[in-house]
Amino acid sequence: AQKVTQAQTEISVVEKEDVTLDCVYETRDTTYYLFWYKQPPSGELVFLIRRNSFDEQNEISGRYSWNFQKSTSSFNFTITASQVVDSAVYFCALSEARGGKLIFGQGTELSVKP
Amino acid sequence: DTGVSQDPRHKITKRGQNVTFRCDPISEHNRLYWYRQTLGQGPEFLTYFQNEAQLEKSRLLSDRFSAERPKGSFSTLEIQRTEQGDSAMYLCASSLVSSSGHGYTFGSGTRLTVV
Repeated sequence: AQKVTQAQTEISVVEKEDVTLDCVYETRDTTYYLFWYKQPPSGELVFLIRRNSFDEQNEISGRYSWNFQKSTSSFNFTITASQVVDSAVYFCALSEARGGKLIFGQGTELSVKP
Repeated sequence: DTGVSQDPRHKITKRGQNVTFRCDPISEHNRLYWYRQTLGQGPEFLTYFQNEAQLEKSRLLSDRFSAERPKGSFSTLEIQRTEQGDSAMYLCASSLVSSSGHGYTFGSGTRLTVV
Protein backbone atom coordinates (compact mmCIF):
# COMPACT_ATOMS: atom_id res chain seq x y z
CA ALA A 1 0.00 0.00 0.00
CA GLN A 2 1.13 3.52 -0.63
CA LYS A 3 2.03 5.79 2.26
CA VAL A 4 3.75 9.11 2.84
CA THR A 5 5.37 9.96 6.17
CA GLN A 6 6.44 13.41 7.28
CA ALA A 7 7.92 12.77 10.69
CA GLN A 8 8.38 16.43 11.59
CA THR A 9 5.07 17.82 12.79
CA GLU A 10 6.37 21.32 13.55
CA ILE A 11 9.59 23.15 12.85
CA SER A 12 10.51 26.59 14.11
CA VAL A 13 13.46 28.53 12.75
CA VAL A 14 14.74 32.06 12.80
CA GLU A 15 14.76 34.03 9.57
CA LYS A 16 17.75 33.35 7.30
CA GLU A 17 18.31 29.89 8.70
CA ASP A 18 18.26 26.93 6.31
CA VAL A 19 15.62 24.29 7.00
CA THR A 20 15.00 20.80 5.61
CA LEU A 21 11.60 19.12 5.59
CA ASP A 22 11.72 15.34 5.45
CA CYS A 23 9.47 13.07 3.41
CA VAL A 24 9.59 9.28 3.23
CA TYR A 25 7.26 7.33 0.98
CA GLU A 26 6.17 3.75 0.42
CA THR A 27 4.93 2.29 -2.85
CA ARG A 28 5.11 -0.99 -4.71
CA ASP A 29 5.00 0.64 -8.11
CA THR A 30 8.09 1.35 -10.15
CA THR A 31 6.44 4.35 -11.79
CA TYR A 32 5.16 7.02 -9.45
CA TYR A 33 5.12 10.76 -8.93
CA LEU A 34 6.11 12.81 -5.91
CA PHE A 35 4.90 16.28 -5.06
CA TRP A 36 5.38 19.06 -2.57
CA TYR A 37 2.60 21.52 -1.76
CA LYS A 38 2.53 24.61 0.44
CA GLN A 39 -0.59 25.47 2.42
CA PRO A 40 -0.52 29.02 3.82
CA PRO A 41 -3.04 30.13 6.44
CA SER A 42 -5.50 31.01 3.66
CA GLY A 43 -5.91 27.26 3.12
CA GLU A 44 -5.27 26.87 -0.60
CA LEU A 45 -2.75 24.23 -1.60
CA VAL A 46 0.01 25.73 -3.71
CA PHE A 47 1.96 23.44 -6.02
CA LEU A 48 5.74 23.56 -5.57
CA ILE A 49 7.21 20.63 -7.49
CA ARG A 50 6.45 17.33 -9.21
CA ARG A 51 9.08 14.64 -9.70
CA ASN A 52 8.63 11.31 -11.46
CA SER A 53 10.30 8.14 -10.25
CA PHE A 54 12.67 7.95 -13.20
CA ASP A 55 14.20 11.34 -12.56
CA GLU A 56 16.48 11.35 -9.55
CA GLN A 57 18.15 14.62 -10.38
CA ASN A 58 18.01 17.11 -7.59
CA GLU A 59 16.26 20.34 -8.40
CA ILE A 60 16.83 23.89 -7.32
CA SER A 61 14.38 26.73 -7.73
CA GLY A 62 15.55 29.93 -6.14
CA ARG A 63 15.78 29.33 -2.39
CA TYR A 64 14.05 25.95 -2.72
CA SER A 65 15.77 22.67 -3.44
CA TRP A 66 14.67 19.06 -3.46
CA ASN A 67 16.68 15.90 -2.87
CA PHE A 68 15.13 12.71 -4.29
CA GLN A 69 16.77 9.43 -3.26
CA LYS A 70 15.08 6.24 -4.40
CA SER A 71 17.48 4.12 -2.34
CA THR A 72 16.02 5.53 0.86
CA SER A 73 12.54 6.34 -0.55
CA SER A 74 12.96 9.93 0.45
CA PHE A 75 12.09 13.24 -1.18
CA ASN A 76 13.33 15.99 1.10
CA PHE A 77 12.76 19.69 0.69
CA THR A 78 15.22 22.39 1.75
CA ILE A 79 14.57 26.09 2.07
CA THR A 80 17.73 28.16 2.10
CA ALA A 81 17.82 31.48 3.93
CA SER A 82 14.25 31.11 5.17
CA GLN A 83 11.91 34.09 5.27
CA VAL A 84 8.84 34.87 7.35
CA VAL A 85 6.70 34.41 4.22
CA ASP A 86 7.79 30.78 4.11
CA SER A 87 5.70 30.12 7.23
CA ALA A 88 3.06 27.57 6.21
CA VAL A 89 2.20 23.91 6.34
CA TYR A 90 4.09 21.88 3.76
CA PHE A 91 2.78 18.60 2.39
CA CYS A 92 4.57 15.85 0.55
CA ALA A 93 2.36 13.68 -1.67
CA LEU A 94 2.57 10.56 -3.83
CA SER A 95 0.63 9.48 -6.91
CA GLU A 96 1.01 6.02 -8.34
CA ALA A 97 -0.48 6.93 -11.69
CA ARG A 98 -0.48 9.92 -13.96
CA GLY A 99 -3.53 11.88 -12.92
CA GLY A 100 -4.40 9.42 -10.16
CA LYS A 101 -5.26 10.21 -6.58
CA LEU A 102 -2.73 11.93 -4.38
CA ILE A 103 -1.70 10.36 -1.09
CA PHE A 104 -0.58 13.09 1.30
CA GLY A 105 1.66 13.04 4.32
CA GLN A 106 0.52 14.55 7.59
CA GLY A 107 2.26 17.81 6.85
CA THR A 108 5.00 19.82 8.51
CA GLU A 109 4.13 23.20 9.97
CA LEU A 110 7.02 25.58 9.43
CA SER A 111 7.24 28.73 11.48
CA VAL A 112 9.88 31.27 10.50
CA LYS A 113 10.39 33.94 13.13
CA PRO A 114 11.90 37.35 12.38
CA ASP B 1 -10.24 31.07 -16.32
CA THR B 2 -9.01 31.91 -12.84
CA GLY B 3 -8.60 28.44 -11.38
CA VAL B 4 -10.68 25.99 -9.41
CA SER B 5 -13.67 27.56 -7.70
CA GLN B 6 -15.53 26.14 -4.75
CA ASP B 7 -18.79 27.27 -3.30
CA PRO B 8 -19.60 28.01 -0.56
CA ARG B 9 -16.39 28.92 1.25
CA HIS B 10 -17.94 28.20 4.62
CA LYS B 11 -20.99 26.22 5.68
CA ILE B 12 -22.41 25.79 9.15
CA THR B 13 -25.14 23.21 9.46
CA LYS B 14 -27.01 21.40 12.16
CA ARG B 15 -26.42 17.73 12.69
CA GLY B 16 -28.75 15.66 10.60
CA GLN B 17 -29.13 18.21 7.80
CA ASN B 18 -28.02 17.62 4.22
CA VAL B 19 -25.40 19.82 2.58
CA THR B 20 -24.18 20.17 -0.98
CA PHE B 21 -20.93 21.70 -2.17
CA ARG B 22 -20.03 22.75 -5.68
CA CYS B 23 -16.72 22.71 -7.51
CA ASP B 24 -15.98 24.37 -10.84
CA PRO B 25 -12.72 23.07 -12.26
CA ILE B 26 -10.42 24.69 -14.78
CA SER B 27 -12.44 24.39 -17.96
CA GLU B 28 -10.01 22.37 -20.05
CA HIS B 29 -9.20 19.92 -17.24
CA ASN B 30 -10.61 16.43 -17.71
CA ARG B 31 -10.19 15.11 -14.15
CA LEU B 32 -11.77 16.35 -10.96
CA TYR B 33 -10.96 15.21 -7.43
CA TRP B 34 -12.49 15.62 -3.99
CA TYR B 35 -10.44 15.51 -0.79
CA ARG B 36 -11.28 16.01 2.87
CA GLN B 37 -8.89 17.66 5.31
CA THR B 38 -9.34 17.69 9.05
CA LEU B 39 -7.41 19.94 11.40
CA GLY B 40 -3.73 19.06 11.62
CA GLN B 41 -3.92 16.38 8.96
CA GLY B 42 -3.10 16.09 5.30
CA PRO B 43 -5.87 15.96 2.71
CA GLU B 44 -7.51 12.54 2.34
CA PHE B 45 -8.71 11.34 -1.04
CA LEU B 46 -12.47 10.87 -1.41
CA THR B 47 -13.21 10.35 -5.10
CA TYR B 48 -12.32 11.44 -8.61
CA PHE B 49 -13.87 11.75 -12.06
CA GLN B 50 -12.60 11.49 -15.59
CA ASN B 51 -15.05 13.69 -17.47
CA GLU B 52 -18.44 12.49 -16.11
CA ALA B 53 -17.29 9.00 -15.08
CA GLN B 54 -16.50 8.41 -11.43
CA LEU B 55 -13.31 6.35 -11.57
CA GLU B 56 -12.50 5.71 -7.93
CA LYS B 57 -14.10 6.10 -4.52
CA SER B 58 -12.36 5.88 -1.19
CA ARG B 59 -13.63 3.72 1.67
CA LEU B 60 -13.94 7.05 3.48
CA LEU B 61 -16.85 7.87 1.20
CA SER B 62 -19.68 6.33 3.19
CA ASP B 63 -23.17 5.86 1.80
CA ARG B 64 -24.07 9.29 3.20
CA PHE B 65 -21.70 10.88 0.70
CA SER B 66 -22.39 11.16 -3.00
CA ALA B 67 -20.54 13.00 -5.73
CA GLU B 68 -21.60 13.77 -9.25
CA ARG B 69 -20.17 15.39 -12.32
CA PRO B 70 -23.16 15.19 -14.63
CA LYS B 71 -21.84 16.95 -17.71
CA GLY B 72 -18.16 16.49 -17.17
CA SER B 73 -17.77 20.07 -16.04
CA PHE B 74 -18.69 21.16 -12.50
CA SER B 75 -19.12 18.65 -9.69
CA THR B 76 -21.22 18.47 -6.56
CA LEU B 77 -20.50 16.67 -3.30
CA GLU B 78 -23.53 15.97 -1.12
CA ILE B 79 -23.44 14.81 2.47
CA GLN B 80 -26.71 13.49 3.85
CA ARG B 81 -27.62 13.37 7.54
CA THR B 82 -24.48 15.23 8.55
CA GLU B 83 -22.61 14.20 11.67
CA GLN B 84 -20.17 16.19 13.79
CA GLY B 85 -17.37 14.02 12.46
CA ASP B 86 -18.05 15.41 8.98
CA SER B 87 -16.70 18.79 10.09
CA ALA B 88 -13.68 19.39 7.87
CA MET B 89 -12.32 21.31 4.90
CA TYR B 90 -13.51 19.80 1.61
CA LEU B 91 -11.04 20.44 -1.18
CA CYS B 92 -11.59 20.09 -4.88
CA ALA B 93 -8.82 19.78 -7.45
CA SER B 94 -8.69 19.40 -11.21
CA SER B 95 -6.11 18.06 -13.58
CA LEU B 96 -5.46 17.79 -17.28
CA VAL B 97 -3.99 14.39 -17.93
CA SER B 98 -2.22 14.23 -21.26
CA SER B 99 0.78 12.64 -22.86
CA SER B 100 2.83 15.69 -22.01
CA GLY B 101 2.28 15.51 -18.30
CA HIS B 102 -0.15 16.33 -15.55
CA GLY B 103 -0.58 18.59 -12.60
CA TYR B 104 -3.20 19.23 -9.97
CA THR B 105 -4.75 22.60 -9.21
CA PHE B 106 -6.60 22.93 -5.93
CA GLY B 107 -9.46 25.20 -4.99
CA SER B 108 -9.64 27.16 -1.75
CA GLY B 109 -11.96 24.62 -0.19
CA THR B 110 -15.31 24.59 1.59
CA ARG B 111 -15.07 24.56 5.35
CA LEU B 112 -17.95 22.59 6.87
CA THR B 113 -18.89 22.93 10.52
CA VAL B 114 -21.56 20.60 11.86
CA VAL B 115 -23.07 21.80 15.14
